[in-house]
Amino acid sequence: GENVEQHPSTLSVQEGDSAVIKCTYSDSASNYFPWYKQELGKGPQLIIDIRSNVGEKKDQRIAVTLNKTAKHFSLHITETQPEDSAVYFCAASSTGNQFYFGTGTSLTVIP
Amino acid sequence: EAQVTQNPRYLITVTGKKLTVTCSQNMNHEYMSWYRQDPGLGLRQIYYSMNVEVTDKGDVPEGYKVSRKEKRNFPLILESPSPNQTSLYFCASSPRSGTSGYNEQFFGPGTRLTVL
Repeated sequence: GENVEQHPSTLSVQEGDSAVIKCTYSDSASNYFPWYKQELGKGPQLIIDIRSNVGEKKDQRIAVTLNKTAKHFSLHITETQPEDSAVYFCAASSTGNQFYFGTGTSLTVIP
Repeated sequence: EAQVTQNPRYLITVTGKKLTVTCSQNMNHEYMSWYRQDPGLGLRQIYYSMNVEVTDKGDVPEGYKVSRKEKRNFPLILESPSPNQTSLYFCASSPRSGTSGYNEQFFGPGTRLTVL
């Protein structure tokens, strides 16, 4: 099956700086890559996703890049704010039914 | 309000005592799934359902059962719970299954299960 690795496991940034979280995957058939944000005590919530026919996608301060050749994708958050503090998970899927998640990154934005 | 609900939210039980965690969604979603979340391991998929009466194994199905008799409900059954099933469980639903392009999953609030 698919193996998704996520780094770093923890990340601290100053408010206003950028944050980057990286994931690699093993199955070249994977074609859908969502990112989820989990706030304390809540279920994960989708923040952005990308499909393999696109190299980059942006939504305001959040962007995701995908390198199919190298099998890695990254989440970029610019102009970070304290409310961006949360745990972020990447995931990969080839079928749209079975999903493989990374181990999570705990992001802390220091005011 | 559109949502995924899980019950109970917290459960402490003993080894071998059968339990069911219920999951219900009011969004008429086709796809539903169960995950467990453990420290250092992220989210791991247990089972998923592409539609009524259609279920399939995820990455970690051992020790669990599911059923999808109605579109809105997707209960998770632990026939004989063991301590290694102590975890935080999430149910999720999505408008469509497969490669339809509607793959955003909406997660419930979680059920924290402790098996003694």
